[in-house]
Amino acid sequence: GAVVSQHPSWVICKSGTSVKIECRSLDFQATTMFWYRQFPKQSLMLMATSNEGSKATYEQGVEKDKFLINHASLTLSTLTVTSAHPEDSSFYICSANRDNNYGYTFGSGTRLTVV
Amino acid sequence: QKEVEQDPGPLSVPEGAIVSLNCTYSNSAFQYFMWYRQYSRKGPELLMYTYSSGNKEDGRFTAQVDKSSKYISLFIRDSQPSDSATYLCAPSSGGSYIPTFGRGTSLIVHP
Repeated sequence: GAVVSQHPSWVICKSGTSVKIECRSLDFQATTMFWYRQFPKQSLMLMATSNEGSKATYEQGVEKDKFLINHASLTLSTLTVTSAHPEDSSFYICSANRDNNYGYTFGSGTRLTVV
Repeated sequence: QKEVEQDPGPLSVPEGAIVSLNCTYSNSAFQYFMWYRQYSRKGPELLMYTYSSGNKEDGRFTAQVDKSSKYISLFIRDSQPSDSATYLCAPSSGGSYIPTFGRGTSLIVHP
């Protein structure tokens, strides 16, 4: 089946620094990947749609200059949280859709803690 | 009103019980109805998928959709401790199929 790998699984960083999270589709090519954020006991909120070879599409209220997305190849999308602050601490999850249907596959998530 | 509503629980049941998890939604354009299971500190995994109204059974799991009342259910028979997880209701409309997630219901199955 479709496999999406996310790295790192957890990261702790100091306030003001930047953190990069990688999302890879291991056994399929993904022209589109999605980035979600999940706060404790809350639903997954779509942050942005990452498009291979073009600019990402951000959801309303998500700062594109703070959450930089790069989708340079058909198997890799990266999310960089710039100038991280404690309120950015959250669980970040990526997903991709191999067959362009309902079957979205999710990465295992990255727990970001900003201290 | 949120697009997808779920009772966060936790719902605690003994092993072997029948579990009923429910979800309501407000967007009439939703045509595809997914249930995802999410273990602690992990990404969601697709559990069940249903198109439009009706029932679908897969092993111990049955998904039920009533579009007229915008009500979605997931039933788990003979629940096991390994079923302990958060269950996310995630309907979507056609086209991109991007799911809209509820906040999930936490299920605890104790031995």
